[in-house]
Amino acid sequence: RKEVEQDPGPFNVPEGATVAFNCTYSNSASQSFFWYRQDCRKEPKLLMSVYSSGNEDGRFTAQLNRASQYISLLIRDSKLSDSATYLCVARHNNDMRFGAGTRLTVKP
Amino acid sequence: GAVVSQHPSWVICKSGTSVKIECRSLDFQATTMFWYRQFPKQSLMLMATSNEGSKATYEQGVEKDKFLINHASLTLSTLTVTSAHPEDSSFYICSASLGPRFNEKLFFGSGTQLSVL
Repeated sequence: RKEVEQDPGPFNVPEGATVAFNCTYSNSASQSFFWYRQDCRKEPKLLMSVYSSGNEDGRFTAQLNRASQYISLLIRDSKLSDSATYLCVARHNNDMRFGAGTRLTVKP
Repeated sequence: GAVVSQHPSWVICKSGTSVKIECRSLDFQATTMFWYRQFPKQSLMLMATSNEGSKATYEQGVEKDKFLINHASLTLSTLTVTSAHPEDSSFYICSASLGPRFNEKLFFGSGTQLSVL
C-alpha cells in the first residue's frame, strides 16, 4: 500500500467549475500536510499547508481529518491556469511522502 | 523566499557514462537535502536524504553505489549517476528544508531531465 494515495484523475472541468481532490495517508504519525502544484517537467511548488481547522487561500480550501487520515483540496471558480498536477504530501519529521498526483485540466 | 538552484537542467549522455547533478541552497544553509526521481506520469519518489558532513540515507531499493550523494557543505549537495543506462533516464529533483522542524516547508530545485542513450 502506498503511503499517500490520491485519485490520479484526470479531472477535466470547464472554466468556473468547482473541483475537489482527495488524499489519504497511512502513517498516523504524520505531523504536517501540504498541497503542491506541479506543471509538466517543472519542480513542485507549494500551494498551501493543510491545518486541522481547515484553511482557505483565495479560491483554494484545504481540509484535514486526522481521525480518518484524509486530506482534501477544493478549487472554486476554476481558471485555465489551474491546469496542473496537484500533489498531496504528508510529512513526519524529515520524511516527506508524496502522492502520485491528481491531474487537472481546465477547459474553456 | 528561499532559493534552491539545480544544475544542469537537462543532460543527454551515452550509456556507461557518469553524470553529476548539483543542488545548491543560495540564501540559506541546508543541513539536509533530499533527492527525488520522477518517471513520466508518476509521483516523486524519494531516493535519499543527504546530510551535511555524513553519509546519505538511501531509500529501500535505491543502489547507493550507483547513485552517489555527497553533501560536503551546508549549501551544496551532489548526486552522481554512475555508469548511467537508459533505464536511469528520468527527472531528478532536489529539495531542501529551512530546518528540521516538521512544519518547515520544502523548497525544490528546478530539476534535471536525464536522457541516457
